[in-house]
Amino acid sequence: DTAVSQTPKYLVTQMGNDKSIKCEQNLGHDTMYWYKQDSKKFLKIMFSYNNKELIINETVPNRFSPKSPDKAHLNLHINSLELGDSAVYFCASSRTSANTGELFFGEGSRLTVL
Amino acid sequence: GENVEQHPSTLSVQEGDSAVIKCTYSDSASNYFPWYKQELGKGPQLIIDIRSNVGEKKDQRIAVTLNKTAKHFSLHITETQPEDSAVYFCAASISPGYSTLTFGKGTMLLVSP
Repeated sequence: DTAVSQTPKYLVTQMGNDKSIKCEQNLGHDTMYWYKQDSKKFLKIMFSYNNKELIINETVPNRFSPKSPDKAHLNLHINSLELGDSAVYFCASSRTSANTGELFFGEGSRLTVL
Repeated sequence: GENVEQHPSTLSVQEGDSAVIKCTYSDSASNYFPWYKQELGKGPQLIIDIRSNVGEKKDQRIAVTLNKTAKHFSLHITETQPEDSAVYFCAASISPGYSTLTFGKGTMLLVSP
């Protein structure tokens, strides 16, 4: 059973389109995250939700809108895609939001904007 | 905010050699230092972590050391194997706390047979 699963794994789309990435965790964790990994492998936090509430919102364009329908799901919707949005997006979860333990990452969703 | 520097960015070793990856952090309040391993096509996975109340922690072939005074910590892998080839990330945060985990920029380790 995959602990943190995200779909789709690959996404190729044109500039200006809107796309969504879905994430689900079956670990019973309270906190979920979206990270962006650029071509140089740098991992940058985008958002964090604790029990469906947004707790971290880093400097991310408002074209990116996360949604957490329940604490096991965190989706990412991106409007008006730009070339610079091409990256691998990782969903992650942790037991709490208090930095007390491990982050569990999904396998990533590679977004390519043409 | 916290800043984590990681070196080297790439490291090539022969199978059986040791590998050392070093990180420095800027915020003296940081007290939790995990290391993540990312294999090709996968998400990062925690391999070892250390808290500031200890100076060293070991788990089989991997060990982490922490020097709080100098604000640096290192990952040591002994008897490297080809399956150790991956990108390794160090990170730092305040625990418990609500600041984000700050990652280093990663080290690509290549172990040649």
